[in-house]
Amino acid sequence: GNSVTQMEGPVTLSEEAFLTINCTYTATGYPSLFWYVQYPGEGLQLLLKATKADDKGSNKGFEATYRKETTSFHLEKGSVQVSDSAVYFCALSEGRAAGNKLTFGGGTRVLVKP
Amino acid sequence: DAGVTQSPTHLIKTRGQQVTLRCSPKSGHDTVSWYQQALGQGPQFIFQYYEEEERQRGNFPDRFSGHQFPNYSSELNVNALLLGDSALYLCASSPGTTAEGYTFGSGTRLTVV
Repeated sequence: GNSVTQMEGPVTLSEEAFLTINCTYTATGYPSLFWYVQYPGEGLQLLLKATKADDKGSNKGFEATYRKETTSFHLEKGSVQVSDSAVYFCALSEGRAAGNKLTFGGGTRVLVKP
Repeated sequence: DAGVTQSPTHLIKTRGQQVTLRCSPKSGHDTVSWYQQALGQGPQFIFQYYEEEERQRGNFPDRFSGHQFPNYSSELNVNALLLGDSALYLCASSPGTTAEGYTFGSGTRLTVV
């Protein structure tokens, strides 16, 4: 079955540091890939997505590139802020034929210190 | 736009009891999916409702059931509660059966004691 593996946290950074969160996936088809963010006490918010190989998703300074050859979708941000402290989830969806459900990784907690 | 609304926000139940959680989808969305998020883990897909029918189901026992109403709102029912059912239950709505337009609610925190 499908699965998503992401680096375990917590990841602790200083403000303005570079952030990378690794994500790799296993899927039988050609999934769409997503990064979601969860702030304390809240639900999930879509951060960015990519629907095909070599696509780059970007939003709010975050970027991730869909790498089919390495089955990866690593999240990066060049200069983090305290407000980026949250839990980040990598996820995939195999589309309508597989029911469009999302398969999530275990999440990576990021703590940015001033 | 109210987004996805879930109720209640918190709930405490005793083992063996039954619980009903409710979800109102975002305006314009007709599909509702439910996810269970145990503490410190990623969400897991329970099931999806579209046109008042269960369209897809994850690896959850029959104790978990649902319903979708004509106004697209949905309920998640869990019978014979176990301690392991303690989790954050997330509802997500979308326009049609696509994952790419998901909007998540803030969830219902269920504690089973």
